[in-house]
Amino acid sequence: EAGVAQSPRYKIIEKRQSVAFWCNPISGHATLYWYQQILGQGPKLLIQFQNNGVVDDSQLPKDRFSAERLKGVDSTLKIQPAKLEDSAVYLCASSPRSGRAIVTNNEQFFGPGTRLTVL
Amino acid sequence: RKEVEQDPGPFNVPEGATVAFNCTYSNSASQSFFWYRQDCRKEPKLLMSVYSSGNEDGRFTAQLNRASQYISLLIRDSKLSDSATYLCVVNNRGGSYIPTFGRGTSLIVHP
Repeated sequence: EAGVAQSPRYKIIEKRQSVAFWCNPISGHATLYWYQQILGQGPKLLIQFQNNGVVDDSQLPKDRFSAERLKGVDSTLKIQPAKLEDSAVYLCASSPRSGRAIVTNNEQFFGPGTRLTVL
Repeated sequence: RKEVEQDPGPFNVPEGATVAFNCTYSNSASQSFFWYRQDCRKEPKLLMSVYSSGNEDGRFTAQLNRASQYISLLIRDSKLSDSATYLCVVNNRGGSYIPTFGRGTSLIVHP
């Protein structure tokens, strides 16, 4: 079974530039997550989709970050304009079950991440 | 108080040692709990879910203490390959499964 795919793997940009990340979840997975992981910290949830609807985006800095999941499959995360503090690894994950289901075992499968450096 | 707290460590232990990590959470309505493992410069991977009755998988034992609002992970007979960061994950918003990660605990197992 193919895993979660992300691209690009690395990106270096200057502050105030724009950048976009792409994620292809595992086929059939209903829930898709975007996380930001800053060095030395745990992943911070930015946005969670169930199919193509948003379950939670309370920690997404909406003045500069946007995300969409067209047709409930692939997703893109965009930063415009980037700031120095956006330097981080951006992780995409998917899970097979509904984000609204109360479950005891809802494993998230992570992609390899995109390492962003903002200069 | 942070929603999910972990001691970042590092925990530096010799091979064969037993080591335990705790993770505290602030929302008493939290409903599901997990331990993930993250190797350096890699993505997190599920280590084990944490059930109310506690659960064991080989050398790993996870427990949940709802009264004191923490989960624990015990690793027996540590191996060099156990060196990694261990992340706890809590569904800390009732009604929807919205995960919150702790910052992780670093484990270094040395010969």
